[in-house]
This record gives sequence, C-alpha cells and structure tokens, in this order.
Amino acid sequence: GQQLNQSPQSMFIQEGEDVSMNCTSSSIFNTWLWYKQDPGEGPVLLIALYKAGELTSNGRLTAQFGITRKDSFLNISASIPSDVGIYFCAGQLYGGSQGNLIFGKGTKLSVKP
Amino acid sequence: NAGVTQTPKFQVLKTGQSMTLQCAQDMNHNSMYWYRQDPGMGLRLIYYSASEGTTDKGEVPNGYNVSRLNKREFSLRLESAAPSQTSVYFCASSLSGGNGYTFGSGTRLTVV
Repeated sequence: GQQLNQSPQSMFIQEGEDVSMNCTSSSIFNTWLWYKQDPGEGPVLLIALYKAGELTSNGRLTAQFGITRKDSFLNISASIPSDVGIYFCAGQLYGGSQGNLIFGKGTKLSVKP
Repeated sequence: NAGVTQTPKFQVLKTGQSMTLQCAQDMNHNSMYWYRQDPGMGLRLIYYSASEGTTDKGEVPNGYNVSRLNKREFSLRLESAAPSQTSVYFCASSLSGGNGYTFGSGTRLTVV
C-alpha cells in the first residue's frame, strides 16, 4: 500500500531547543495533517494543511505543505517538557478514496528537562 | 462535549472468543473509522464508513467486521480473536473524509 516515510523515528532534545520532523512520499497528497499522541490517549489534531506551499502556525508549532505536494514538515520552537509524545503526519492521497487518510509511523519526542 | 467515546478501555480475551468494540460520536460527523496501532507500525485502517449505511475495507480488514448502527455509532467485531489482534484500537470520526479526524482514547485489547 501507499506509504508515508516519517523521520526521524525518535528524538531526544534539550528543553528550549527547536525540533524538526518531516514526512515524504512518492505520491501526491491533497491534504497534510499533523497529530500529537500523548501516552494512553488518542491522537489529537495539531495542524491541517490544504494547499501546496501553505505554511501554518499553531503557537510554537509551524507546519508546511510541500510545494511538490509529496512532503510536509513540522517544526516545534523552544521545546518544553509537555511536548513529549508521538507526532504523526497523515495525508489524504490525491484521487484517493474518502476513507484513506494514510498515517506515518510516528516520531517519538522525548525532552530532557 | 464528549467527542468520540470508545468502550471498553481495556479488554483481555482468550483465543477464539468474540467481542464487539463500541464507538459513538456526538459531533454529527458523517464518516467514522477504525484503526489499530501497533508498535513501530503507526496507525492502520481496518474499516471505515463514509456515511450512514455504508462500510468499506481499509488496509487490514481480515478478522474483523463492522456495523454502522446509525449516524452516531460504529462498532468493530472480532468473531474469533487471535493473538495477532492484540493491539490498541482507535475509533475516529470526521465531518467528511478530507477533514481532520477526531479520535477516541482507544481500547487496549490483549488476546492470550
């Protein structure tokens, strides 16, 4: 099936540092979404992107929809301990069926206090 | 203001037993989904329902059945549980397929 390559798989960072993660695919996407999952909870939507080139911020988070429509990145500025969790990218394929949001395998973020 | 509610939160089954995972949403969403989450595998779509009265297979449907009981409820049934179905199951809903999904808090299922 279609795949999203999300990297890195995990990160350990110092509090206050900036974080960057990305998702790439060989396929074109209509929509890119970024989710965060806290332990024992379901993923929560952080940012949604609907246009190629779109750059959207949500507080300390910034995400961009790649101009080729095959990639997206998420940046977190000045990380804090509550940023710990697993971050997932998800995309809806161009021409894909309505039910198919495809998820990356996640980036596990751990912050050293 | 509940969003997506899943029951139960935890379940242990013996191989061969059956059970139904329940999901309900109160946001008047049209589409509902069942995913499973396994370590290192991300979220994989089991079944989805684009609208009331329709269901379709996702990436990993084998061993599962679903029922879209009404607009609010979408259940997932394991007829004969296998250890390979040990996983965390998430239900999600969306207004339409292209919008962001709202997830429930998950059901942690162990099959022994």
